[in-house]
Amino acid sequence: GENVEQHPSTLSVQEGDSAVIKCTYSDSASNYFPWYKQELGKRPQLIIDIRSNVGEKKDQRIAVTLNKTAKHFSLHITETQPEDSAVYFCAAQYNNNDMRFGAGTRLTVKP
Amino acid sequence: SQTIHQWPATLVQPVGSPLSLECTVEGTSNPNLYWYRQAAGRGLQLLFYSVGIGQISSEVPQNLSASRPQDRQFILSSKKLLLSDSGFYLCAWSSGGGTSFCFGPGTRLTVT
Repeated sequence: GENVEQHPSTLSVQEGDSAVIKCTYSDSASNYFPWYKQELGKRPQLIIDIRSNVGEKKDQRIAVTLNKTAKHFSLHITETQPEDSAVYFCAAQYNNNDMRFGAGTRLTVKP
Repeated sequence: SQTIHQWPATLVQPVGSPLSLECTVEGTSNPNLYWYRQAAGRGLQLLFYSVGIGQISSEVPQNLSASRPQDRQFILSSKKLLLSDSGFYLCAWSSGGGTSFCFGPGTRLTVT
């Protein structure tokens, strides 16, 4: 099955700075890589995703990059704001059904 | 549009008692359904997933079981709860094949 590793586990940045979270996956057959944001006490919410036929995707201040050869994908948040503070999870979908998550990154944006 | 429901929202149960959590999806047919557990401050552990009625894949051997009696209903059960079963239980659905994957509101279970 798939194994997803996520780094760092905690990240603290100053408001306005950029934040980068990195993930690696083990199964080269994985084809879909979503990112989720989870605020305290709430369900994870999809913020951006990328498919294996695309190298980069951007949505306003959020971007995701994928390196299929290295089996790496990353989340980039620019111009961070205090409301970006949350736990972020990466995931990889294996075999079209099985979705595996990284351990999460707790992002704190200091005003 | 699709909607996913879970109940109850919160539950406090004594050790050794049974458990039944329910998840239903509206607005789609033949969804892939999933149960995840999240311990306090931790990540998302896949417990079970189902690609159709009566088809259940188990990821972690434990005292939990899952059933899918109807196309859009997924049930998580236990005959005897352990303290370590406490956590935030999330149901999720997808259409499969690299499409959006959405979580339900979750059930917060405390075993005392």
